[in-house]
Amino acid sequence: AIRMTQSPSSLSASTGDRVTITCRASQGISSYLAWYQQKPGKAPKLLIYAASTLQSGVPSRFSGSGSGTDFTLTISCLQSEDFATYYCQQYYSYPLSFGQGTKLEIK
Amino acid sequence: EVQLVESGGVVVQPGGSLRLSCAASGFTFDDYTMHWVRQAPGKGLEWVSLISWDGGSTYYADSVKGRFTISRDNSKNSLYLQMNSLRTEDTALYYCAKDIYRGTYFDYWGQGTLVTVSS
Repeated sequence: AIRMTQSPSSLSASTGDRVTITCRASQGISSYLAWYQQKPGKAPKLLIYAASTLQSGVPSRFSGSGSGTDFTLTISCLQSEDFATYYCQQYYSYPLSFGQGTKLEIK
Repeated sequence: EVQLVESGGVVVQPGGSLRLSCAASGFTFDDYTMHWVRQAPGKGLEWVSLISWDGGSTYYADSVKGRFTISRDNSKNSLYLQMNSLRTEDTALYYCAKDIYRGTYFDYWGQGTLVTVSS
């Protein structure tokens, strides 16, 4: 099974900041990676797929990059609605797997 | 509008059984792979199982293999998860999720149904 490891586990930032979250796969997964945003009490929301393709309707301040084993999610200018928990997910092979999550909090 | 509505979550004793359901609408259900994903209280997301569009292929997380069975009824636009030999560590919010097509990532999620395994 492929293990996904995110860093950091939590992050404090201010509105307007640029933040980057890292996701590392235990083996190469090409670009078969998705990112999700989850707010408290809500279901996850798809942000990015194929490592760098923005899902329809997602603001352009979100971007993704990487391939192989190392990936990043960047939010270029944090807005108040971006404070949430973010998860990466590999779909290179079964079982599908998620990272443990990164909680983005207001500083 | 795509809608996924889960039901069936209750409090059950360890060793017990439960069947979850997910009613789907707003898309052509039998075109898509479907999944169950769970989230223990205060924890992260864990993929549980998937079933192909025609029910011909299923996959499971190691943690539930041999205990859980995923199924679907395309005539009823419904997805199911039969959960047997439940353990306290199965306590979680169970989400039904639609695949973007054939077994990759998830573009729509339900709001979840809570399963509590406790004596």
